[in-house]
Amino acid sequence: GESVGLHLPTLSVQEGDNSIINCAYSNSASDYFIWYKQESGKGPQFIIDIRSNMDKRQGQRVTVLLNKTVKHLSLQIAATQPGDSAVYFCAENMINNNDMRFGAGTRLTVKP
Amino acid sequence: DAGVTQSPTHLIKTRGQHVTLRCSPISGHKSVSWYQQVLGQGPQFIFQYYEKEERGRGNFPDRFSARQFPNYSSELNVNALLLGDSALYLCASSLARGSYEQYFGPGTRLTVT
Repeated sequence: GESVGLHLPTLSVQEGDNSIINCAYSNSASDYFIWYKQESGKGPQFIIDIRSNMDKRQGQRVTVLLNKTVKHLSLQIAATQPGDSAVYFCAENMINNNDMRFGAGTRLTVKP
Repeated sequence: DAGVTQSPTHLIKTRGQHVTLRCSPISGHKSVSWYQQVLGQGPQFIFQYYEKEERGRGNFPDRFSARQFPNYSSELNVNALLLGDSALYLCASSLARGSYEQYFGPGTRLTVT
């Protein structure tokens, strides 16, 4: 069946380096994508979103890239900090749909 | 301004029992969604309520039900609990019916023994 998934379950980076977290999706009808950050004991926190009519969107230290040709989504974090350590989820949805589908998550660990 | 709040934070139940989980959305938000997050996995959509009506339902059995009150708070009910219902139950609120920018609460950790 169609699903959202992630290429790597864990990612370890050095403080100050850039991080790239990847996500593959298979539902070609999805037109809205979101990245969430979840710290231990907390609910997911919205990071950034992108609609399917865009290829790239930038926020503060984060950039999301969308490649619709290969159905690939990535989250880039610049100058990764210890506070960025968390599990990162991508999620997909169709605008105005009520069923947001999450991937399994990637655990990012930032080494000092 | 308070974020999404959920109660209780932790709960232990026995198989066959029922449970009620509560959620208060961000002030001004009219839509509430419920998710189940099993350890090591991403959240799975259970329900969405908007203006006190069910607007969407995920692939969960009829043992799961919910409702939304006039003040937009919500309850999730689970009957005949199974061991597999052990999970973190997340509530998310948003301004409108669509899923755009959902804000999650801290969740209720349910353990079924």
